[in-house]
Amino acid sequence: NAGVTQTPKFRVLKTGQSMTLLCAQDMNHEYMYWYRQDPGMGLRLIHYSVGEGTTAKGEVPDGYNVSRLKKQNFLLGLESAAPSQTSVYFCASSYAPGRMNTEAFFGQGTRLTVV
Amino acid sequence: DAKTTQPPSMDCAEGRAANLPCNHSTISGNEYVYWYRQIHSQGPQYIIHGLKNNETNEMASLIITEDRKSSTLILPHATLRDTAVYYCIVRVDRNQGAQKLVFGQGTRLTINP
Repeated sequence: NAGVTQTPKFRVLKTGQSMTLLCAQDMNHEYMYWYRQDPGMGLRLIHYSVGEGTTAKGEVPDGYNVSRLKKQNFLLGLESAAPSQTSVYFCASSYAPGRMNTEAFFGQGTRLTVV
Repeated sequence: DAKTTQPPSMDCAEGRAANLPCNHSTISGNEYVYWYRQIHSQGPQYIIHGLKNNETNEMASLIITEDRKSSTLILPHATLRDTAVYYCIVRVDRNQGAQKLVFGQGTRLTINP
């Protein structure tokens, strides 16, 4: 049982390049989330999904797009990376049907640097 | 969701109880208090949550004041592995809703040998 897995773990991009961060969970969770964490700060919600084929904006959605084509995967895309998007990105998931919606499970993070 | 206030840092001796305070004076009647921790830039980890009664699990205890305007997370016998940033989060516990967590800056707890 791997939980929440993020790939890649590290990435360096040049300004203007694009990339996709992949999040996969094997807990049959309905809800998935993308957060970013800047140095010395708490996490901020970028986008989230309450089910396959659905996405919604969080607190800081600008500059990012997401897709949830399969229940177990949640993709975060940067179409044209900017230095302000240098951050650590965390994926999380929660709520398996039939279980309590008590806690979110987080991945280990992707450290992205845009130069 | 209600805003929380936590001290930026705390120290505790190994083996002693670590008591982490959180103020949430604007909490609503249907909002729960959640605690997460983040060890050395790993993904946050759920610890415990509660509404108005004290709660205990294998990791910690949560004491919520009667007026619910503040709470304390207690790690009964702190170890070096408990060194982390601890986040107090208040949110409505909708069983069918997304866990849209609002993280503040948390308390950086350092356990000293």
